Amino acid sequence: DADVTQTPRNRITKTGKRIMLECSQTKGHDRMYWYRQDPGLGLRLIYYSFDVKDINKGEISDGYSVSRQAQAKFSLSLESAIPNQTALYFCATSDSYRDGYTFGSGTRLTVV
Amino acid sequence: GENVEQHPSTLSVQEGDSAVIKCTYSDSASNYFPWYKQELGKRPQLIIDIRSNVGEKKDQRIAVTLNKTAKHFSLHITETQPEDSAVYFCAASIYGNNRLAFGKGNQVVVIP
Repeated sequence: DADVTQTPRNRITKTGKRIMLECSQTKGHDRMYWYRQDPGLGLRLIYYSFDVKDINKGEISDGYSVSRQAQAKFSLSLESAIPNQTALYFCATSDSYRDGYTFGSGTRLTVV
Repeated sequence: GENVEQHPSTLSVQEGDSAVIKCTYSDSASNYFPWYKQELGKRPQLIIDIRSNVGEKKDQRIAVTLNKTAKHFSLHITETQPEDSAVYFCAASIYGNNRLAFGKGNQVVVIP
């Protein structure tokens, strides 16, 4: 089945380390997103991309960067991880003709 | 940007009763309103959505109503079952824009 895959599923890293979260999709969608989920805060948009050459900041982009390597791949990097970046991270996709998102299975990141 | 608020944050209902979750939004230009269900440890999944050209949409035991004048929309779950226990997120965007702004989520607990 076409899906959205995130790697790794879980990661523990130390403060100051660089870490990359990866997202790939087989849905053929052109639009991809990175959200972060924290208890009581819901889902907040970090970055989004409407095609390979389009990268846009969301509401909480500070401390993060992204790369859209291909239509099917969108990675999120934390250049120097800090403890308050501990969260559940979701990648999502959509196409330009429908608004519904398909979410990946999530990456649980812990920064110690 | 769009601001979406959900009430109540937690809702407990007896099995078989109805549950209603209400969301308000701030941007009158928003015209697409989806609801996502997130079961414990899983990814959010789209369960129903509505566009502003209709006032109500139903799919079996769930329905969504929209009041554009008051800028609020609600999720109605009838004949609740234990598998309805989850966190429900509402969201809003401008159709075609694809940038969903999410509420903070409602925890629904169905008591057997």
